[in-house]
Amino acid sequence: GAVVSQHPSRVICKSGTSVKIECRSLDFQATTMFWYRQFPKQSLMLMATSNEGSKATYEQGVEKDKFLINHASLTLSTLTVTSAHPEDSSFYICSAGGRGVATQYFGPGTRLLVL
Amino acid sequence: QKEVEQDPGPLSVPEGAIVSLNCTYSNSAFQYFMWYRQYSRKGPELLMYTYSSGNKEDGRFTAQVDKSSKYISLFIRDSQPSDSATYLCAFTFYNQGGKLIFGQGTELSVKP
Repeated sequence: GAVVSQHPSRVICKSGTSVKIECRSLDFQATTMFWYRQFPKQSLMLMATSNEGSKATYEQGVEKDKFLINHASLTLSTLTVTSAHPEDSSFYICSAGGRGVATQYFGPGTRLLVL
Repeated sequence: QKEVEQDPGPLSVPEGAIVSLNCTYSNSAFQYFMWYRQYSRKGPELLMYTYSSGNKEDGRFTAQVDKSSKYISLFIRDSQPSDSATYLCAFTFYNQGGKLIFGQGTELSVKP
């Protein structure tokens, strides 16, 4: 299957700092990437849809000024958590959708802990 | 009514058992039906997807879709300890990497 990477896999930061998470599709071009958030023992909640070269579409209740998404190329999307607070601590997962059948390939996730 | 309902478990079975995982959904516009496996602290991995009602088999896994009842199932035969994970059903409308709607996930533990 297709490979999607995320970096970093784990990050610990102080409250008030910003954290950038990268999502890369390694062996295919992804016109669309998705960012999810997952709390322990809960399902994935879609935060935003990122299209290459255009602004991201955010789900209801997700602050676009807090979670900045940039999709600069067909293989890279970034999520920046600005002025992070402890309640932003979570597991962030990206996925990349290529052409063809309705499937997405998920990255391994980034665990964010804000102290 | 929730768009997708999935029993969160946890479900514990002995090695070799047949496992049945299920989801119900309310949106008849869903076109693709998927099952993902997620190991602890990892991203989900696509197991199977189907488009129409009926069965689809892949090794020890069988996905079943009943559109008339809005019900999908995943069966795992001869379950192994390595199958221990959380299984998420997912649904989507589009044909090119559209937005996925996930179930809550069922935590499965297969005991040796």
